[in-house]
Formats: sequence, C-alpha cells, structure tokens
Amino acid sequence: NAGVTQTPKFQVLKTGQSMTLQCAQDMNHNSMYWYRQDPGMGLRLIYYSASEGTTDKGEVPNGYNVSRLNKREFSLRLESAAPSQTSVYFCASNPRDRAQETQYFGPGTRLLVL
Amino acid sequence: AQSVSQHNHHVILSEAASLELGCNYSYGGTVNLFWYVQYPGQHLQLLLKYLSGDPLVKGIKGFEAEFIKSKFSFNLRKPSVQWSDTAEYFCAVNEGRGDKLVFGAGTILRVKS
Repeated sequence: NAGVTQTPKFQVLKTGQSMTLQCAQDMNHNSMYWYRQDPGMGLRLIYYSASEGTTDKGEVPNGYNVSRLNKREFSLRLESAAPSQTSVYFCASNPRDRAQETQYFGPGTRLLVL
Repeated sequence: AQSVSQHNHHVILSEAASLELGCNYSYGGTVNLFWYVQYPGQHLQLLLKYLSGDPLVKGIKGFEAEFIKSKFSFNLRKPSVQWSDTAEYFCAVNEGRGDKLVFGAGTILRVKS
C-alpha cells in the first residue's frame, strides 16, 4: 500500500513552459486535493476534487488546471509557468468528501521556475 | 473567509523543555481542528484532531491539544520535547460539514540536544 504518490519529485522549468504534476492514491479515497506550500504561508489549497468527475477551485487556482482522471489519479497542470509558481506542491487524499477524516499527503514536488 | 493564525514561526527549545504552540481560528460555527507535522524530508502526517466531545485531545508521540471554544483556540502541547520532535507543525481547521482545510502558516520547531 503506497498511499499517495507524486511525480516528479523535483522539476526545473523556464518561464512559459508547461508541465503536469501527477498524483495517485491507492486507498480508494473519494476526495483529492492539490496544495502549494510557500515559506511563512503554510499550505494553500489550489484545487480539489470531492469525487471522480468533479473539481472545484480552492484559494489560489489562477494559473493552474486540474484533471480527475479516475478515482485514483488527480493531476495538476501549469499551462504557462511563472516564477511566482515556484513552490512545493502537495497532493492529498481523504476517504470521504468531508474533511472530518484525515487527509493523507504525498511526498511533494519541488518546482523551480526560472 | 476563515483564517488560522499560528503565533510563532520559529521556536527553539532544549531537550526536556515544555512546548506550547498557539493556534487561533476565525470561524464562529462548528469546526473540526487538526495539527499536522512535517518532519525533515518526510510527508505531512496527522498529529491529532478534534471533531467533537472531550476538548482535550491526545495524539501520537505524547502530544496533546486543547480546544477552547470561547477563545477560538486549539493549542498544541507536549510536557517534555525530544530532539526528534524537530519539525514544522501546522494547525488546520475546517468548517462543520466542509471538505476543505485551511492551514496556518506553520511553526518550525528546533529542539537542541
């Protein structure tokens, strides 16, 4: 049982390049989330998906798109990367669509945009 | 919008010292409260949570937290820290039946051996 996995672990992009961050969970959880973590700002929600086929914006969605490919996978896409998107990105999953349950986090993706 | 405040960004303690990390939130209704920890190089993991009932919650590794509704607080405590408690600690809140967590800015704890 791998839990929540993320790829890649680290990525360097040039301004304007695009990329997709992958996330998968093998716990049969309904809800999945994408956060970014910046020093002194904690974790901020980018997008979330309460169930397969649904996605909703979080606190900081601008510049990102997501896709809930199936129950296991939730990807985050940067269409045109900007230096302000330099951050650590965490994916999380939750067994129900209510956050009373624990969110389980992946190991993170460190993204540097030059 | 809901907000979560963690009062100290950096805390340095010696081993065996007592720890209290402050957390205050802004939402006035029913809330669920969480403390997450991120050890160096590791995933975020749940330390403890309050959903309802006894406002004094015990978590892993000897941590506990007390929910004080009148003060909108959920402070984390440990009577005697160890070097292995060096980590970043995040307080998080979700509103009643909501499915989104709001995190505080985090507190970096360094324990000197």
